[in-house]
Amino acid sequence: QKEVEQNSGPLSVPEGAIASLNCTYSDRGSQSFFWYRQYSGKSPELIMSIYSNGDKEDGRFTAQLNKASQYVSLLIRDSQPSDSATYLCAVNFSGGYNKLIFGAGTRLAVHP
Amino acid sequence: DAGVIQSPRHEVTEMGQEVTLRCKLISGHNSLFWYRQTMMRGLELLIYFNNNVPIDDSGMPEDRFSAKMPNASFSTLKIQPSEPRDSAVYFCASRGNEQFFGPGTRLTVL
Repeated sequence: QKEVEQNSGPLSVPEGAIASLNCTYSDRGSQSFFWYRQYSGKSPELIMSIYSNGDKEDGRFTAQLNKASQYVSLLIRDSQPSDSATYLCAVNFSGGYNKLIFGAGTRLAVHP
Repeated sequence: DAGVIQSPRHEVTEMGQEVTLRCKLISGHNSLFWYRQTMMRGLELLIYFNNNVPIDDSGMPEDRFSAKMPNASFSTLKIQPSEPRDSAVYFCASRGNEQFFGPGTRLTVL
């Protein structure tokens, strides 16, 4: 069973803090990893992709990948109320063509 | 690039009616995915195509659901007959190196 696990939350952080979102996956052969943000009533929006072990930074967002531990995370620095959304982790499992397996998502609430 | 285009954006219909949802892929992408999202079940993959060929339709809930991809840029998802439990938001997604979602169709079956 190919699985992607996320804590459903809600994760509540104060404005200006670092929000840390975590994701584990079951397939050791996975090569591509993505984070999507979904606002209520909207479609999922791709915000980060990561393919190699280590960190990848884009503005206030940093994705971290550890393939040995089968773990991928998303850090949001200087969190803003506008970051409040559900964050979906997605993994391209080996042998799955271009099919992504999505986690159930973590709801983030940033309070002023 | 206009991104993934879906139509209609909202559909309200009565039980038993046929519903057709439409999707236009991003130019150059070769994979298309249909998803359904509800509060109870989250985001579910219904079917996906690679180079116009259906690869996996195991997520299609019943024979009432069917999907086609008549050319490289366009797909339809049809529900016939529709039932109230089909009410959900249906997303189409297009993938090249990365996957992008359309705005979705909110379907309400009365």
